[in-house]
Amino acid sequence: DAKTTQPTSMDCAEGRAANLPCNHSTISGNEYVYWYRQIHSQGPQYIIHGLKNNETNEMASLIITEDRKSSTLILPHATLRDTAVYYCIVRAPRDDYKLSFGAGTTVTVRA
Amino acid sequence: ETGVTQSPTHLIKTRGQQVTLRCSSQSGHNTVSWYQQALGQGPQFIFQYYREEENGRGNFPPRFSGLQFPNYSSELNVNALELDDSALYLCASSSSGFEQYFGPGTRLTVT
Repeated sequence: DAKTTQPTSMDCAEGRAANLPCNHSTISGNEYVYWYRQIHSQGPQYIIHGLKNNETNEMASLIITEDRKSSTLILPHATLRDTAVYYCIVRAPRDDYKLSFGAGTTVTVRA
Repeated sequence: ETGVTQSPTHLIKTRGQQVTLRCSSQSGHNTVSWYQQALGQGPQFIFQYYREEENGRGNFPPRFSGLQFPNYSSELNVNALELDDSALYLCASSSSGFEQYFGPGTRLTVT
């Protein structure tokens, strides 16, 4: 019952910015956009989340469109260690007990 | 600060047997969630415990059960194992319900 659509896979050159799109056209006003990533054979790692304003932290930036129907996760300078599956998740406060993962985007950073 | 740990790392069981997986939450976290991740898929929410009480459950049968202890560590128990229970089992801890921090997972193989 994932509420997001992401490309299946994408490649990125090392040192360049990686822009990961996510569509969430049915998002409700109180639902947040979360991003997690999962490096092979590890547990998912929290990256960032936002409601309607753009957000930035030490890992990435999150750009949410004004209508909130889509967002982009930006990894400013991709490294080989950023190769992972990236999950975009929409989450309501009432669902604060679970994360609903879709298939995610497999990002491969190439040297 | 100690992260989320899980044991064992790998486990092989026979169909019909029972299994117990363990999770130690990150320091200061009072909520733990369990997820099942089949090969090639995103994690699926099993249930969550908050202060030793079940606080939400996904679409899993009653043979999946859990416990949370006063020190906030947790167990996932699965009875009458089936072949389809073969998966990576992840636990995640949180304190605010927002960011969940995942452990490395336990790889369960049912033969």
